[in-house]
Amino acid sequence: KAGVTQTPRYLIKTRGQQVTLSCSPISGHRSVSWYQQTPGQGLQFLFEYFSETQRNKGNFPGRFSGRQFSNSRSEMNVSTLELGDSALYLCASSLAGVAGVRSGSYEQFFGPGTRLTVL
Amino acid sequence: GENVEQHPSTLSVQEGDSAVIKCTYSDSASNYFPWYKQELGKRPQLIIDIRSNVGEKKDQRIAVTLNKTAKHFSLHITETQPEDSAVYFCAASNPSTGGYNKLIFGAGTRLAVHP
Repeated sequence: KAGVTQTPRYLIKTRGQQVTLSCSPISGHRSVSWYQQTPGQGLQFLFEYFSETQRNKGNFPGRFSGRQFSNSRSEMNVSTLELGDSALYLCASSLAGVAGVRSGSYEQFFGPGTRLTVL
Repeated sequence: GENVEQHPSTLSVQEGDSAVIKCTYSDSASNYFPWYKQELGKRPQLIIDIRSNVGEKKDQRIAVTLNKTAKHFSLHITETQPEDSAVYFCAASNPSTGGYNKLIFGAGTRLAVHP
């Protein structure tokens, strides 16, 4: 099976712009979570989508939003970019919540990330 | 809020030695604790996980122990090899409030194994 993929891999934007990142989960996975990774704050949970619905949300401002499509692909959007939004954005997919999957399958599989630089 | 503290932040060992990384979590209802390894420039990968109904779990040279009373869990790597060099993250989740996929991560431990 193909792994989790993310596009683009690198992005450079300027303050005030907006950006959209894309994540394609492993086939059959319906849960997609997004994380922000920075040297100072580490890995922080942004939100999770399952069956096109946001199921969980972290402590990020409303400038961070996301959505999920019927094929489980997910996008996240950051509006009015700030310098502090520079980070590696990782998405992860999981089988958790899929009917028929044994309850112990909690593993999240991460994508390679999108490196966002805000100038 | 939920918090996971991880120590040490850096760890240097000689090849063949053991390495231990410790984490403490704040949410007493957390019951899923995965450990991820992230090599330089690569994505995090799960190396072992444990649920709160188990006190210890082993997979070859890697083991994780959990003390629910004290709210801490530890990663043990025995017979370390240079390829074990990476950043290791612990995490916790509370299925009743955030589901298994809302992982709260520790700050990471940079492990260096010297030949």
